[in-house]
Amino acid sequence: AQSVTQPDIHITVSEGASLELRCNYSYGATPYLFWYVQSPGQGLQLLLKYFSGDTLVQGIKGFEAEFKRSQSSFNLRKPSVHWSDAAEYFCAVGDSWGKLQFGAGTQVVVTP
Amino acid sequence: DVKVTQSSRYLVKRTGEKVFLECVQDMDHENMFWYRQDPGLGLRLIYFSYDVKMKEKGDIPEGYSVSREKKERFSLILESASTNQTSMYLCASSTSRRGAVYEQYFGPGTRLTVT
Repeated sequence: AQSVTQPDIHITVSEGASLELRCNYSYGATPYLFWYVQSPGQGLQLLLKYFSGDTLVQGIKGFEAEFKRSQSSFNLRKPSVHWSDAAEYFCAVGDSWGKLQFGAGTQVVVTP
Repeated sequence: DVKVTQSSRYLVKRTGEKVFLECVQDMDHENMFWYRQDPGLGLRLIYFSYDVKMKEKGDIPEGYSVSREKKERFSLILESASTNQTSMYLCASSTSRRGAVYEQYFGPGTRLTVT
């Protein structure tokens, strides 16, 4: 069965600084990987996804993620965060039937 | 734009009541999902459906049932609500094609409080 670990429950970052959120997965086959963002009181919005091909994936809002099979990781990055990036971020791995397994989430706080 | 709507944003029910949470999607998606979200636990899958009248248990189906009579609508039912079902409930939908995994589109969520 697939599983996802987000080691950081909470991250505080200054506005304009870079951000990296970690995600490690466990899955027996080729993983389908996703990053979602949830703003307060809202549903989840897809930031980016990886199915195959180029291991560096570009997403919306200036985010990117890199798939590293050898490390079973799919870390999310942004070079310069904005106050509006304060949210909760979820990594997920999907199986071939379309089911997703989510990590516990990382809460990002952006300070002035 | 894909739109997934949920019948209520906030709901307060009493212990023992029967509760219906409704979800509607407008993109003709085959797959629909119900999750509950609790702090520190992420999203956990309750039930999902690949087609009309089809349903499959997820990771935490106990205390819940579902109904999918029409393709666009997926209902979550709490037969007898209990306080430990106080949570945020999220509905999602996705299209499907053999061998492909498509992203799920989420509704805004229903925050259910059982007192």
